[in-house]
Amino acid sequence: GAGVSQSPSNKVTEKGKDVELRCDPISGHTALYWYRQSLGQGLEFLIYFQGNSAPDKSGLPSDRFSAERTGGSVSTLTIQRTQQEDSAVYLCASTPDGHFQETQYFGPGTRLLVL
Amino acid sequence: QKEVEQNSGPLSVPEGAIASLNCTYSDRGSQSFFWYRQYSGKSPELIMFIYSNGDKEDGRFTAQLNKASQYVSLLIRDSQPSDSATYLCAVNRRGSYIPTFGRGTSLIVHP
Repeated sequence: GAGVSQSPSNKVTEKGKDVELRCDPISGHTALYWYRQSLGQGLEFLIYFQGNSAPDKSGLPSDRFSAERTGGSVSTLTIQRTQQEDSAVYLCASTPDGHFQETQYFGPGTRLLVL
Repeated sequence: QKEVEQNSGPLSVPEGAIASLNCTYSDRGSQSFFWYRQYSGKSPELIMFIYSNGDKEDGRFTAQLNKASQYVSLLIRDSQPSDSATYLCAVNRRGSYIPTFGRGTSLIVHP
């Protein structure tokens, strides 16, 4: 079946502009994660959604970052008033239930460059 | 604070050799352990997972877990140039839905 999809694959924006990144998880997966990966860095957890429960936003670096998940499926990560330090690859992953033994299935990522 | 440590490398091995990648973790409650491979410019993909102490083999890959010493290793036998990538270690504990990732070890297999 189809894997995790993300769009756009690349995004170049100017400092101060808002951007929206989209993630479409694997069908049937209730758990969805957003991560950020800067050059040469590991995966930085941003936010977690599980079904209709309130999201775990503990990894969001500032209030400029927000995310929503509509209908328990597609998710959008929004970065307001982008800064140059927001430049990174934003990865979305999904798992069937968010269980601690589950494999993370990653999308291809969105490469964000803030000029 | 949960930490997962990996040597950033690069680890350079000749083709056909055994590559040994190591990962240590700080949370003694960790119970699931994953190795992901990430090619340059691509997203991570699962290589192996291990839950119990000891060795787990899958083809050319062997994961080794030692909970007492809090480390997990990945051995790649008969290394190939196509194995050149960054290998990420991820650790999770029972009841947690957010794994902790290490920064990854860069592996270079030269012909």
